[in-house]
Amino acid sequence: KQEVTQIPAALSVPEGENLVLNCSFTDSAIYNLQWFRQDPGKGLTSLLLIQSSQREQTSGRLNASLDKSSGRSTLYIAASQPGDSATYLCALRTGANNLFFGTGTRLTVIP
Amino acid sequence: DARVTQTPRHKVTEMGQEVTMRCQPILGHNTVFWYRQTMMQGLELLAYFRNRAPLDDSGMPKDRFSAEMPDATLATLKIQPSEPRDSAVYFCASGSAYTGELFFGEGSRLTVL
Repeated sequence: KQEVTQIPAALSVPEGENLVLNCSFTDSAIYNLQWFRQDPGKGLTSLLLIQSSQREQTSGRLNASLDKSSGRSTLYIAASQPGDSATYLCALRTGANNLFFGTGTRLTVIP
Repeated sequence: DARVTQTPRHKVTEMGQEVTMRCQPILGHNTVFWYRQTMMQGLELLAYFRNRAPLDDSGMPKDRFSAEMPDATLATLKIQPSEPRDSAVYFCASGSAYTGELFFGEGSRLTVL
């Protein structure tokens, strides 16, 4: 069974800092990998989707990479802002019928 | 702006009552998922539909939960009878068959007293 780990569980950084969130998985036979953010009391907002054949995706200040051979994905956030404070979840699609979610990293950007 | 719509956003009910949660997937999406989120368990898959057909409901307690898609614009999750341990946030997500990307609704927060 696919196991998805996100370390650290929580992270605090000062505003303006660049940061990297990590996602590790045990089975490299994935269909795609998706990064989400979740604000308190809200749903999950899709940030980036990386297909199995891709190495990275970029959207604005966000860049996500995928290395299947090492079982790792990273989400890079440039020039962090207080509005980036949220819980970030990675999720792996291994087939048609499920996403395996990581436990999330709770990010706090301090003004 | 296409989005997944869930109702109700909040529901407080008493143990034993029936609860129905509704989801309108994004137009054109052919996959629909129901997830439950709790602090202890995180996100758990309850049911999955493709082209309105239920393909996986192994995560759902069959004796009290049921999920249906009466048409392409509506998915329902029903709990009967509800129990306090069902208290959680229930999310619906719909997916693009082309990209595989999933989009989540805002969730239905259920409290069973």
